[in-house]
This record gives sequence, structure tokens and C-alpha cells, in this order.
Amino acid sequence: DQQVKQNSPSLSVQEGRISILNCDYTNSMFDYFLWYKKYPAEGPTFLISISSIKDKNEDGRFTVFLNKSAKHLSLHIVPSQPGDSAVYFCARKTQGGSEKLVFGKGMKLTVNP
Amino acid sequence: ETGVTQSPTHLIKTRGQQVTLRCSSQSGHNTVSWYQQALGQGPQFIFQYYREEENGRGNFPPRFSGLQFPNYSSELNVNALELDDSALYLCASSGGQGYYGYTFGSGTRLTVV
Repeated sequence: DQQVKQNSPSLSVQEGRISILNCDYTNSMFDYFLWYKKYPAEGPTFLISISSIKDKNEDGRFTVFLNKSAKHLSLHIVPSQPGDSAVYFCARKTQGGSEKLVFGKGMKLTVNP
Repeated sequence: ETGVTQSPTHLIKTRGQQVTLRCSSQSGHNTVSWYQQALGQGPQFIFQYYREEENGRGNFPPRFSGLQFPNYSSELNVNALELDDSALYLCASSGGQGYYGYTFGSGTRLTVV
């Protein structure tokens, strides 16, 4: 069972501070983890990904860290902006067969001005 | 470059009825996946179509079926609707095997009463 878990349902931070969103997984076989952002009434939007051969991937204000020994990854947003307020999903792309995404339950991030 | 469009945006059906949801893929994408997002949950994989053939299926009963057309647009059909089918249905297109970025539509909100 390729579980992806986001254990915290919500996070509130002040504008300009760092937001750290966490994700745990239970299976070591994967190609990529991806982070998606979702605003109300819109579909999920791809944010950033990381492959199994990397420990870190950075794109502007967004950095994803992968700790394979702990089966844990995190998304860092620095500095956080009010427009970052959304629901964030961690997802893994499965190996073999059809390339489907397995999503966590999501975390609602609120960035206060 | 056009994105993924889904229709209708909202739909109310009665238990036992049948429903068809539609999706137009992003230009150049030949793979379409459908996801169901229940309230408070992450999207769950229903099935995927690649070049008009089903290319993988999640844990959904046979009353969930689909089609992909030569222009790569797609339909999701659900027969004998149940109350638990109430959810946001998301369509995602991608560029085929090996491409890890999925473009999602805004979804169809289905309510079964």
C-alpha cells in the first residue's frame, strides 16, 4: 500500500515568515514526489517535485527536502505571502503500469498579512 | 496553450441516476486521468486513458467507466449513482509515459441527493 500522509490539517503563519509543510510515506519505491497547490473552485496546480535521486530541489521561494531514511519530505516556502494561502497536497507518482498520483489529505495553509 | 477544461462545473443528480462528465485535455497531452476528491480528502485515482485505451484503474467499482476520444478528450460515466458518489471529480492530462507533470482541470462538483 503506497500511503502518503499529511498529518497536520492546517498551518497558519505570518507574512514574511517560513512555512513548512510536512509529508510522510510508507513505501520506499517511488519515482517522484510532487507538491500541488489548490485554491477553492480551481484544480490542483503543480508546484514543485523531487526525484528519488535527490535530497533537495529548489524553485524560487519553494524548496522541497527529501529524507529517505525517515521516509519524510517537507515543503518550505520562504518568505510566505498571503497569496500562498491555499490547500497543499503532497503526492507520489507510482512506479510501473499506469503513472498515477497518490495524494495525501492535504494541508490548509493560511498566511496572515 | 489551452489548459484542461471540464464540464459541467456543477451537477445535482438523484440516487440511481446516471451521469456523464466531460474533459478536454491540454493541447499536446495524450494521457487523461480521472480523480475523485471527497470532502476533506485528497484526490483518489479512478482510472487513466492513454491513446483511447484504459491504462490503469484504481479501487472503484465497474459502474465507474470512461472513454477517451481520438482528440484525447475524455468522458467519465457513473451509473447507479449513490450518495457517496458526491464529490469533486478532477480530470488531469499529461504528456504520456515518463512525464510527471499533470495539468488538472477545475473539476465537476457532483451532488447526489
